[in-house]
Amino acid sequence: DAGVTQSPTHLIKTRGQQVTLRCSPKSGHDTVSWYQQALGQGPQFIFQYYEEEERQRGNFPDRFSGHQFPNYSSELNVNALLLGDSALYLCASSLWDQETQYFGPGTRLLVL
Amino acid sequence: AQSVTQPDIHITVSEGASLELRCNYSYGATPYLFWYVQSPGQGLQLLLKYFSGDTLVQGIKGFEAEFKRSQSSFNLRKPSVHWSDAAEYFCAVGASGTYKYIFGTGTRLKVLA
Repeated sequence: DAGVTQSPTHLIKTRGQQVTLRCSPKSGHDTVSWYQQALGQGPQFIFQYYEEEERQRGNFPDRFSGHQFPNYSSELNVNALLLGDSALYLCASSLWDQETQYFGPGTRLLVL
Repeated sequence: AQSVTQPDIHITVSEGASLELRCNYSYGATPYLFWYVQSPGQGLQLLLKYFSGDTLVQGIKGFEAEFKRSQSSFNLRKPSVHWSDAAEYFCAVGASGTYKYIFGTGTRLKVLA
């Protein structure tokens, strides 16, 4: 049973660039959430996607956007990167009506 | 405001000793509570969860947690720590109808041989 997978594992970008991170949910799951984990902090909720729509959003600017595909996989896009966007980006999947989220290994983004 | 507090940033215990990690929450609705563990460079692994019912919940790797509504706490315990338990532990809270988790800042556990 495949768990949540994310790609790439690491990424280095420069300020002002754009980045796309990818996530495949756990088999059977239809809902994907994205979190940002800055160094030394707990994860912070960015948004959640269900049925290809953004269902809920945290306190993140519009530079952060996402997409969910018909196969339930998801992308996180960040435009106009700032140094402060350097973090571990975690994807979590769940079933639409269940509260338990299962996390992937994350993508570590470094913005120079 | 909704929040989760993990008062201990670092904890060091000897292998074989007991462990308790503290978690306090502030949440308007009836909370769902979770403990996750994160090894260096890794994602989060679910240890256990509480939704309702018995306030003492058992998880994987010999961990348990007790929900105390009167104290707004959900402390994680293990009777005998193994060196492989060294990691960072996160408490999180959610609720029915809201899709996001709120995480604490984590407790880093060091285990002495």
